[in-house]
Amino acid sequence: DTGVSQDPRHKITKRGQNVTFRCDPISEHNRLYWYRQTLGQGPEFLTYFQNEAQLEKSRLLSDRFSAERPKGSFSTLEIQRTEQGDSAMYLCASSVGEMNTEAFFGQGTRLTVV
Amino acid sequence: GEDVEQSLFLSVREGDSSVINCTYTDSSSTYLYWYKQEPGAGLQLLTYIFSNMDMKQDQRLTVLLNKKDKHLSLRIADTQTGDSAIYFCAEKRADTGKLIFGQGTTLQVKP
Repeated sequence: DTGVSQDPRHKITKRGQNVTFRCDPISEHNRLYWYRQTLGQGPEFLTYFQNEAQLEKSRLLSDRFSAERPKGSFSTLEIQRTEQGDSAMYLCASSVGEMNTEAFFGQGTRLTVV
Repeated sequence: GEDVEQSLFLSVREGDSSVINCTYTDSSSTYLYWYKQEPGAGLQLLTYIFSNMDMKQDQRLTVLLNKKDKHLSLRIADTQTGDSAIYFCAEKRADTGKLIFGQGTTLQVKP
């Protein structure tokens, strides 16, 4: 499978715990995006990387959130001290450069904070 | 602001045409997209239109773009029950490539 892969698909955690999600983009794609989708809403942009550089972070990304893409390939999104409001679907997408027309989305990681 | 606006709900009968509307905000956006999301599933790209076009047709799908009014529409001809889903429009920002999504239109197709 050469699509965007996200792991895990589902995560249930207790409030206050830390969680980490992984995204493996399509191999030649240099841009990687994280989005969050809450129930009944469209996806909201969180952050993006060009290669290993994190170039933009949304104001939605509080201090408890951190994303990395250490070697310009896979990326991780960590949430510290999770809150119930963090419950959402976290989507990763990748694309090639600026002119590419399509960002390819993974299936997402559904986080439930109890 | 960054809001992309869509109507929330549309109900049609099987075989009719569906028209889903969207307004966007950034006149410099390069591409505009329509995504489909079925319950519990990821985002499926349906079609897209480059900002210097005003119409694109792809089988049962027709996209119309009015750049002056920043208005985008998706027409689905001969709507089927399998078309029932949430449809998102999105604009692609020219500088970063990030997508700004609308809140989604739920399409209900009645037999």
